[in-house]
Amino acid sequence: AQTVTQSQPEMSVQEAETVTLSCTYDTSESNYYLFWYKQPPSRQMILVIRQEAYKQQNATENRFSVNFQKAAKSFSLKISDSQLGDTAMYFCAFFQGGSEKLVFGKGMKLTVNP
Amino acid sequence: GAGVSQSPSNKVTEKGKDVELRCDPISGHTALYWYRQSLGQGLEFLIYFQGNSAPDKSGLPSDRFSAERTGGSVSTLTIQRTQQEDSAVYLCASSLAGYGNTIYFGEGSWLTVV
Repeated sequence: AQTVTQSQPEMSVQEAETVTLSCTYDTSESNYYLFWYKQPPSRQMILVIRQEAYKQQNATENRFSVNFQKAAKSFSLKISDSQLGDTAMYFCAFFQGGSEKLVFGKGMKLTVNP
Repeated sequence: GAGVSQSPSNKVTEKGKDVELRCDPISGHTALYWYRQSLGQGLEFLIYFQGNSAPDKSGLPSDRFSAERTGGSVSTLTIQRTQQEDSAVYLCASSLAGYGNTIYFGEGSWLTVV
């Protein structure tokens, strides 16, 4: 079964700093999709960034970028110039083809301090 | 609608009562998902619909849980004879059909069983 592991339960950074959130996964599939979702205190799960496994180029979305290492099955999220509004739970997720569902890691709580 | 809509946003019920949670997906989205998020935990997959059929019910925790979807749109998650361990946020999500399409979440229904 596919699994997603987020080994850091909690991190805190100062505003404007850069922070990297780690995620590893396990799969026997060769093609799949990976996602990072953000869940602020409002509870709404918001898509941060999406990566297709067959694309070697790392996805970027403004201040958010990923370091996708397919051989190592690693998918880390880098947040540059952290802002107070980045404070949230961050979930790494793996799209499981065939059964058509997202498998989530346990999440990591990020706090950005002024 | 513009986003995934869930109701009620909060529900307090007595142990043993039945509850119904409703999800209205984004217009045109044929795939619909239910997840459960217990306090401080990750997301637990419950059920997936493609149109009105549910090819994957593997996550439903017991026969007290059921879900249906009608008209390829609105879905209802029903929990019978609620127990305290059912207390959680129930998140609904939807996406366009197809492998790897982005899944969009609603704000969730927070269920408390007392």
